[in-house]
Amino acid sequence: NAGVTQTPKFQVLKTGQSMTLQCAQDMNHEYMSWYRQDPGMGLRLIHYSVGAGITDQGEVPNGYNVSRSTTEDFPLRLLSAAPSQTSVYFCASTLAGRGGTQYFGPGTRLTVL
Amino acid sequence: GEDVEQSLFLSVREGDSSVINCTYTDSSSTYLYWYKQEPGAGLQLLTYIFSNMDMKQDQRLTVLLNKKDKHLSLRIADTQTGDSAIYFCAESTGGNTGKLIFGQGTTLQVKP
Repeated sequence: NAGVTQTPKFQVLKTGQSMTLQCAQDMNHEYMSWYRQDPGMGLRLIHYSVGAGITDQGEVPNGYNVSRSTTEDFPLRLLSAAPSQTSVYFCASTLAGRGGTQYFGPGTRLTVL
Repeated sequence: GEDVEQSLFLSVREGDSSVINCTYTDSSSTYLYWYKQEPGAGLQLLTYIFSNMDMKQDQRLTVLLNKKDKHLSLRIADTQTGDSAIYFCAESTGGNTGKLIFGQGTTLQVKP
């Protein structure tokens, strides 16, 4: 198993540009989540999904869209990038059941100029 | 809303024990977690504890949970330089849906 994969690893955008951060998992996990990590603030939940076709907002959803058409993929879209979205983005998938263990991807470091 | 608090920095000598503390607010949390993050890497789950447990031990790691005070701690015995990292406490929220609330992280510095 590759686990949770994220692409790209690094990205630089100009203000107003759009892009999609990719996330895939091959563990057949039902639950997937997107977090952003900013210095001194830990990880904050952006959006999450409990299954294909079902998504919901987390703590900081503004400026981001998600969709979940398959169990494996959970892309995060930035429609019009802003400097405040400069961050490290982590995707995670969760094994439903005891412990709800979350497996994290390696992260995407995004800079918006 | 839910909140998780941690001290930001801890420095210990190699071979000593490290204790990282965390407080949380959601009394309905089912699970509480400790994650480790090394520089430039993602998060690695170290251990978790179910809310009806007081203690969990896993090799050099001991987790203590005081549910009355909503206090969680992680003790690392015989701390090594390879333990230097950021440690995050997290609580589950919204049932077992993968929604976690994270603390700010504690940077553990291990001096040789």
